[in-house]
Amino acid sequence: DSGVTQTPKHLITATGQRVTLRCSPRSGDLSVYWYQQSLDQGLQFLIQYYNGEERAKGNILERFSAQQFPDLHSELNLSSLELGDSALYFCASSVGEGGGYEQYFGPGTRLTVT
Amino acid sequence: GQNIDQPTEMTATEGAIVQINCTYQTSGFNGLFWYQQHAGEAPTFLSYNVLDGLEEKGRFSSFLSRSKGYSYLLLKELQMKDSASYLCAIYSGAGSYQLTFGKGTKLSVIP
Repeated sequence: DSGVTQTPKHLITATGQRVTLRCSPRSGDLSVYWYQQSLDQGLQFLIQYYNGEERAKGNILERFSAQQFPDLHSELNLSSLELGDSALYFCASSVGEGGGYEQYFGPGTRLTVT
Repeated sequence: GQNIDQPTEMTATEGAIVQINCTYQTSGFNGLFWYQQHAGEAPTFLSYNVLDGLEEKGRFSSFLSRSKGYSYLLLKELQMKDSASYLCAIYSGAGSYQLTFGKGTKLSVIP
């Protein structure tokens, strides 16, 4: 158990819909990262927050957005969903701001868009 | 930009030694991570190399050569539970906060 929690574990929704994925980092960690993992693309970095502020953006679509709240939990919002958005979405946390810190991954949310 | 190459799949025998290679091209380099990921599960941290050389941690060792853009993960005394994907990830630093992951090497350990 990494100490990072993600809800829900599974999500099935239809194209065009909007969903929210939630992540609580390990106690004491200030950075939260979001990743998308599909079979053919590997682990793709989406976005990072540190202590409530956005720090880095990766290959995140404009239909996706995220935020980190004062209690440090984070939410990833996915809208106008397409079939290709079906993937495993991981949240990770680390104590520091930069990428040189070990990241602890949550169990993931498996999103299926039908 | 960054480019990370790893073999897609490898097979090894229980009790043997296997070496998983990772080569990379990057405009900046601050360190290289190895993560293990069992199918359908979260990645877990194995090692982080910043300087050249070999770092040993139990049955797992990781090597880095920054001048060659090359790293490997060495797994000794393979066990069936080592069947997993092994992900190489680069931290380029230089104002970048993110990790860039390779596509991973799926290792199958057979009896």
